[in-house]
Amino acid sequence: GQQVMQIPQYQHVQEGEDFTTYCNSSTTLSNIQWYKQRPGGHPVFLIQLVKSGEVKKQKRLTFQFGEAKKNSSLHITATQTTDVGTYFCAGPLGNTGKLIFGQGTTLQVKP
Amino acid sequence: EPEVTQTPSHQVTQMGQEVILRCVPISNHLYFYWYRQILGQKVEFLVSFYNNEISEKSEIFDDQFSVERPDGSNFTLKIRSTKLEDSAMYFCASSQDRPENNYGYTFGSGTRLTVV
Repeated sequence: GQQVMQIPQYQHVQEGEDFTTYCNSSTTLSNIQWYKQRPGGHPVFLIQLVKSGEVKKQKRLTFQFGEAKKNSSLHITATQTTDVGTYFCAGPLGNTGKLIFGQGTTLQVKP
Repeated sequence: EPEVTQTPSHQVTQMGQEVILRCVPISNHLYFYWYRQILGQKVEFLVSFYNNEISEKSEIFDDQFSVERPDGSNFTLKIRSTKLEDSAMYFCASSQDRPENNYGYTFGSGTRLTVV
């Protein structure tokens, strides 16, 4: 079945360093969505990418969707302690109405 | 900003007991979902619901699970006879349209279910 994989599983960075998480799908996606879950919290929708090769920015966060629409990345420039949490990518499973989540990348930021 | 509301925030139950987890989705959303997350693990799909019926369900969603929209605002998940392995955080989510039509989910804050 369709799988969505993310690496790395964990990342510890010093405040001010950059961070990147990578997401790969076993199948072509109609879109890719990114969510952030703070410790003890719930997933919160950040953004979605729809077009092949699309790049979107939200302040220090840059999201990319691969040309083949099977992979995506999230890059955070100059991390801050407020960036701490788990970042999930998620893709729709065909036309089922179901969103499949990657395992998430948990980011720890040392002040 | 509109929210998905879940109650209770924490439920402790004895193995074999029935539990009902409650959710109030965003009022103009049409698609409703239950996911669960075992501590530190991925967010797993359980079931999707549209037009008063189940659209999709996962292998986890066996005969012990059921969902209902009893009154046009609440969306409930019932586990008939809880097992220890049902202990997890259960998230309700809603969306205006299906994710393949480029709509994201709004999640509730979750119910932590502990089966003892």
